[in-house]
Amino acid sequence: DVKVTQSSRYLVKRTGEKVFLECVQDMDHENMFWYRQDPGLGLRLIYFSYDVKMKEKGDIPEGYSVSREKKERFSLILESASTNQTSMYLCASNMAGEAETQYFGPGTRLLVL
Amino acid sequence: AQSVAQPEDQVNVAEGNPLTVKCTYSVSGNPYLFWYVQYPNRGLQFLLKYITGDNLVKGSYGFEAEFNKSQTSFHLKKPSALVSDSALYFCAVRDDTGGFKTIFGAGTRLFVKA
Repeated sequence: DVKVTQSSRYLVKRTGEKVFLECVQDMDHENMFWYRQDPGLGLRLIYFSYDVKMKEKGDIPEGYSVSREKKERFSLILESASTNQTSMYLCASNMAGEAETQYFGPGTRLLVL
Repeated sequence: AQSVAQPEDQVNVAEGNPLTVKCTYSVSGNPYLFWYVQYPNRGLQFLLKYITGDNLVKGSYGFEAEFNKSQTSFHLKKPSALVSDSALYFCAVRDDTGGFKTIFGAGTRLFVKA
């Protein structure tokens, strides 16, 4: 079974802090994604990576950066957390290919005070 | 531009009754369509997908979905609902024009009452 793990299930941070969310997949997938999930808005893509050190901006990259130094690990960084970044963050991975299923981690619920 | 619409925020159904969760889409090329389910405090799980071929797609947990090209719809169905089907359901679409993004709908919450 594909396994996607995220470093934390719940996080509470203060405004202005630098926040790191980590995601690890164990199936040698080429692609990895970071989404945020908000009620009524579904999932919105923050960043996508199709290979080590490669990244593409998604729909809402502002205030975020990413790092992919190893194939299995994709990190999301909030450079200076703000209250409007309070959300559920979901990591996903899949194989390269147009119709490939995405496999999701359990999510990190981030509260920024 | 790609888009997905799930017109119902919530669907209520009695256990044992058939259920339908609606999804319509818009893409430039040919669509790849997906349904995912999210149980409380969990990530999304894949249910089924349409790539090509038979318009009726069967998936996990007894769910199926029908691709209708003329109506640009991909509604999720199950003949007999279970209380354990209560969850948040997401429709998603990607097209074959080479972009990397999958677009997700806003989600439909399904309540199955015993």
